[in-house]
Amino acid sequence: EVQLVESGGGLVQPGRSLRLSCTASGFTFGDYAMSWVRQAPGKGLEWVGFIRSKAYGGTTEYAASVKGRFTISRDDSKSIAYLQMNSLKTEDTAVYYCTRVMRGRYYFDYWGQGTLVTVSS
Amino acid sequence: EIVMTQSPATLSVSPGERATLSCRASQSVSSNLAWYQQKPGQAPRLLIYGASTRATGIPARFSGSGSGTEFTLTISSLQSEDFAVYYCQQYNNWPVTFGGGTKVEIK
Repeated sequence: EVQLVESGGGLVQPGRSLRLSCTASGFTFGDYAMSWVRQAPGKGLEWVGFIRSKAYGGTTEYAASVKGRFTISRDDSKSIAYLQMNSLKTEDTAVYYCTRVMRGRYYFDYWGQGTLVTVSS
Repeated sequence: EIVMTQSPATLSVSPGERATLSCRASQSVSSNLAWYQQKPGQAPRLLIYGASTRATGIPARFSGSGSGTEFTLTISSLQSEDFAVYYCQQYNNWPVTFGGGTKVEIK
């Protein structure tokens, strides 16, 4: 059974940093691209970023709203994807979901339960 | 960036009735469109990909159609567990983008 478990959320002040983790199980993690999608309170879904598998260079893509502030990385030996968030803004407050990206396509076939990040002074 | 527009924002339907949800893209996305269902307090769940292919374990009462810029998700006979918010997502172009969602509520 595919499982994605996010951790690392919490309350952080504007301008500070936070790192989220996504621990995967039930599939060969290294074979898949992974992505982060967020949802502000009471709002819709917003794609944050994406990391390809090592077979495709392990390269990343980011939404314009987070580019230059957020970094996605992966540790295939531990089956973990990370989202490093720097220079956080109040508008980054959201539930952050880790997702598995379907091979060859950029839709999300499995989602974690999400972790809440609150940016507030 | 491709803008995805969903309508209506809220759909009131009685159990057992048919629900038809629309999603429009600001430019062609071919058939590279997915639909997700999200219930309160839960993560989204993939329903449909490739505009019309049901994901694993999705009941046959869910069907998707369309291509290019106009797409439809149909729920043939609403069950109590189908009352939720539904999102479409295009993955034809970067960045991938979601629609604003349609809430299906009990009439």
